[in-house]
Amino acid sequence: KQEVTQIPAALSVPEGENLVLNCSFTDSAIYNLQWFRQDPGKGLTSLLLIQSSQREQTSGRLNASLDKSSGRSTLYIAASQPGDSATYLCAVPYSGAGSYQLTFGKGTKLSVIP
Amino acid sequence: KAGVTQTPRYLIKTRGQQVTLSCSPISGHRSVSWYQQTPGQGLQFLFEYFSETQRNKGNFPGRFSGRQFSNSRSEMNVSTLELGDSALYLCASSRPGLAELTLKTDTQYFGPGTRLTVL
Repeated sequence: KQEVTQIPAALSVPEGENLVLNCSFTDSAIYNLQWFRQDPGKGLTSLLLIQSSQREQTSGRLNASLDKSSGRSTLYIAASQPGDSATYLCAVPYSGAGSYQLTFGKGTKLSVIP
Repeated sequence: KAGVTQTPRYLIKTRGQQVTLSCSPISGHRSVSWYQQTPGQGLQFLFEYFSETQRNKGNFPGRFSGRQFSNSRSEMNVSTLELGDSALYLCASSRPGLAELTLKTDTQYFGPGTRLTVL
């Protein structure tokens, strides 16, 4: 059974700092790994998807890396802004019996202090 | 292109009642999944529907059920509500096609959720 862990559970940084969020997974046989953002009481917004054959994926100030062999992914946020404050979740898909579901970590709650 | 919509956005029910939540996927998406999110357990998979058939179900009691209509809209029902059912219920849709072909590159698109409070 796939398990996804995110450390730390919460992080507070001053505006402008670069930061790294961590995600680890137990089963390295993944199709991809995805990072989502969730604002309080809202749904999830997909940020980045890294295919299993890729090492990195970038979108603006966000860079996600994937190391399948070690079961780890990191999300790097450059020059953090107060608007980046949210919970960040990583997830890996499971496919069995023709179905599709995501297994999520519990997230890292990020606060960027002005 | 309209996103995933969920209704209602907020619900307050009492123990023992039942509730029905609705989800309309992105146009053209035929797979709809439901997730429950609580502070303690995080996001947990409830079930997935594709072409009106339940393809997979998470580890939830039989009080949780769902269905999908021919237009891909989905409903989930929770009967005999318990206090522990208070949660944010999220619906997600993904593109049509065989799961094996789309898994490598596709993601799920999430709705805003329905906040259920059981008193």
